[in-house]
Amino acid sequence: KNEVEQSPQNLTAQEGEFITINCSYSVGISALHWLQQHPGGGIVSLFMLSSGKKKHGRLIATINIQEKHSSLHITASHPRDSAVYICAVHNTDKLIFGTGTRLQVFP
Amino acid sequence: DAGVTQSPTHLIKTRGQQVTLRCSPISGHKSVSWYQQVLGQGPQFIFQYYEKEERGRGNFPDRFSARQFPNYSSELNVNALLLGDSALYLCASSLVGLSGNTIYFGEGSWLTVV
Repeated sequence: KNEVEQSPQNLTAQEGEFITINCSYSVGISALHWLQQHPGGGIVSLFMLSSGKKKHGRLIATINIQEKHSSLHITASHPRDSAVYICAVHNTDKLIFGTGTRLQVFP
Repeated sequence: DAGVTQSPTHLIKTRGQQVTLRCSPISGHKSVSWYQQVLGQGPQFIFQYYEKEERGRGNFPDRFSARQFPNYSSELNVNALLLGDSALYLCASSLVGLSGNTIYFGEGSWLTVV
């Protein structure tokens, strides 16, 4: 079993829909990162969380430390949100990544 | 300011050869970390360096090594290349360590081993 699990693996949506991506982890962490990766490889950091909730534009990230679970929400999704979304947790001196959620948003 | 820069962007090597990948962090960032991403999978942590010292190491064989220079740039070396080393190699920088800090990624170096 992977130490960081994401669901779903693939997600398709119509423009405007509300999207949720989930991340569960089984190790102790000091922080959790949500990352966005576009085709071609470049990765952008969306959020770094250690507790609670953060919001940036149409993106919201939450974390429940007791339940070892985090969610990334996208409100009013747009085709430009199409990308792979990756959850990564900071555990001791390393980062452990999930396998990513591939999101496609259609007009 | 320039972001994290990596070189080369693409390279092809033969099995058994050695490769050196380079990374320049964002100005003022003292921590550099390296990741391997095989096609279709999430990244795997290889190394973290902070203030020129190794601070973290992932589950990779000794063929993989790295170092950080006084200007905080870094090199990743892979010896005795195997076909399975074909991947995107990503470098990231942060102000201090990984914990509690936003991580900024470079565009990566695509390595193909034939």
